[in-house]
Amino acid sequence: EAQVTQNPRYLITVTGKKLTVTCSQNMNHEYMSWYRQDPGLGLRQIYYSMNVEVTDKGDVPEGYKVSRKEKRNFPLILESPSPNQTSLYFCASSRDREETQYFGPGTRLLVL
Amino acid sequence: AQSVSQHNHHVILSEAASLELGCNYSYGGTVNLFWYVQYPGQHLQLLLKYFSGDPLVKGIKGFEAEFIKSKFSFNLRKPSVQWSDTAEYFCAVSPYSSASKIIFGSGTRLSIRP
Repeated sequence: EAQVTQNPRYLITVTGKKLTVTCSQNMNHEYMSWYRQDPGLGLRQIYYSMNVEVTDKGDVPEGYKVSRKEKRNFPLILESPSPNQTSLYFCASSRDREETQYFGPGTRLLVL
Repeated sequence: AQSVSQHNHHVILSEAASLELGCNYSYGGTVNLFWYVQYPGQHLQLLLKYFSGDPLVKGIKGFEAEFIKSKFSFNLRKPSVQWSDTAEYFCAVSPYSSASKIIFGSGTRLSIRP
């Protein structure tokens, strides 16, 4: 089954404790992206990746890092989380930028 | 700056009413346009998309959208809504000039009274 998976689905952490949210897709998609969803703001793109070892900033990259060492995986790293990063995070993938994006189930993060 | 505006933040309708959700974008060049839906507790799914050709696009579940280039709009419509259409709807734009930016609107929450 074609899908995008994210782990963990729910996470409560404290300020400053590094964390990683994993994202994996099994569709051999080249384009992958991370979004955060906040009430009244819709989805805002954090980082995206056109292919392995090719990543770039989206609209709200501050406080986040990503890597794309393999085509299927695109982890999101918060080196020093802060409470303003409390949000719902979605990973998405598509064959290329212009195609339909397939979204993961979301990761709800609470930073205390 | 490129942006997508969804003017209706929350729409409440009765079953069988007609629906139109507005979406306007600010970009003068060629764009790809999308509507995504997020049902309660679920992730986003594609409703429909426009890349080129017929500006009236039909999607799943009886939804359609019309691209009006002169108005920079891509409004979503459904002639008769059902309770199961209760969800949040997001318009998204992918400008050709931007390497990989995909810009989402802030979303419209649709509540259907049974």
